[in-house]
Amino acid sequence: GQSLEQPSEVTAVEGAIVQINCTYQTSGFYGLSWYQQHDGGAPTFLSYNALDGLEETGRFSSFLSRSDSYGYLLLQELQMKDSASYFCAVGPLDSGNTGKLIFGQGTTLQVKP
Amino acid sequence: DAGVTQSPTHLIKTRGQQVTLRCSPKSGHDTVSWYQQALGQEPQFIFQYYEEEERQRGNFPDRFSGHQFPNYSSELNVNALLLGDSALYLCASSLPSESPNQPQHFGDGTRLSIL
Repeated sequence: GQSLEQPSEVTAVEGAIVQINCTYQTSGFYGLSWYQQHDGGAPTFLSYNALDGLEETGRFSSFLSRSDSYGYLLLQELQMKDSASYFCAVGPLDSGNTGKLIFGQGTTLQVKP
Repeated sequence: DAGVTQSPTHLIKTRGQQVTLRCSPKSGHDTVSWYQQALGQEPQFIFQYYEEEERQRGNFPDRFSGHQFPNYSSELNVNALLLGDSALYLCASSLPSESPNQPQHFGDGTRLSIL
């Protein structure tokens, strides 16, 4: 099976950098994805790591280390609008190439002025 | 270019009733997945439809069923509603591709409340 652990809450100030960690136990997966969800809204895709290393997309970067069963999302130059829930997610190998996602429990990020 | 659209946005039902939720995928997408998200929790995979057939299923009882139409739109049906079925139901669509884990594009969801 798969389980992904994230901190439940993170607080940071506007303009700062914040890192949201995701540790996992899984029998195998295609890659690690990150999604952002504002209150009551749709989850929005942020980043995907198929291989170990760093992926950068604007202010957001994501990292994966399969040997350490660990990944993180890095948000730079924080803005108030970044206040949201952030979920890591994996596509398990035993689901085949279907895009099925298993989500972590989510991290609520609060950005303060 | 419309994204994933879901209807209705909100719905109130009572225990024992049946409900049908609808989803139109993003233009060009042929795969539709349904997720249940309880308040304060992560989305949980219900099932996925591709080529009008259920391709994958999560740990949900048979009360949850679905359908995909030739135009790729999809319905989620839930029978014999329980209080615990109260949740945000999310539909996600993705591109036809051999690459695993194409980004899932989510709709805004249907908020289902069971009284």
